[in-house]
Amino acid sequence: DTGVSQDPRHKITKRGQNVTFRCDPISEHNRLYWYRQTLGQGPEFLTYFQNEAQLEKSRLLSDRFSAERPKGSFSTLEIQRTEQGDSAMYLCASSLAVGGYEQYFGPGTRLTVT
Amino acid sequence: KQEVTQIPAALSVPEGENLVLNCSFTDSAIYNLQWFRQDPGKGLTSLLLIQSSQREQTSGRLNASLDKSSGRSTLYIAASQPGDSATYLCAVKAAGNKLTFGGGTRVLVKP
Repeated sequence: DTGVSQDPRHKITKRGQNVTFRCDPISEHNRLYWYRQTLGQGPEFLTYFQNEAQLEKSRLLSDRFSAERPKGSFSTLEIQRTEQGDSAMYLCASSLAVGGYEQYFGPGTRLTVT
Repeated sequence: KQEVTQIPAALSVPEGENLVLNCSFTDSAIYNLQWFRQDPGKGLTSLLLIQSSQREQTSGRLNASLDKSSGRSTLYIAASQPGDSATYLCAVKAAGNKLTFGGGTRVLVKP
């Protein structure tokens, strides 16, 4: 399978714990995006990378959130001191930096904070 | 600030009927528009991408139109099937590279 993959698919954690999610983009894609989707809503942009550089961050990305893409391949999204309001689906997408810029999404990580 | 709206939020049709899904956006300075399908609890599957210079795109039973000046796009699904039941999302890309999504239209096709 050469699509976008995310791990884990589901995560249940207690409030105050730290969690980390991983995204592996399509191999030739140099752009990688993180979005968050709450129930019944469309996804909201969090941040994006071109290669290893984080070029844009949403105001939704509070200081408890950090994202990295150390070698321009996979990316991690860490949430520190989780709150119940962090419960959501975290979606990763990737695209080329040229051409149509079509974004391809992974299956998502469903986070539940109890 | 770009805002994307999809009306209706939910739609139920009998099998075989054509589906018409609407998407409107407030800022016409877009680069492209994508339509996605999302099944419950799953990620997004890209259906069609329309560049800002294009008026429509077609793939099988799906046809999407774009009227950038009026800030509208329409997704047509011909001869709907129960397997078309899902949430359909539209998203626009502006110069900032992120996608701005609508809230989606939840579609139920009844056998």
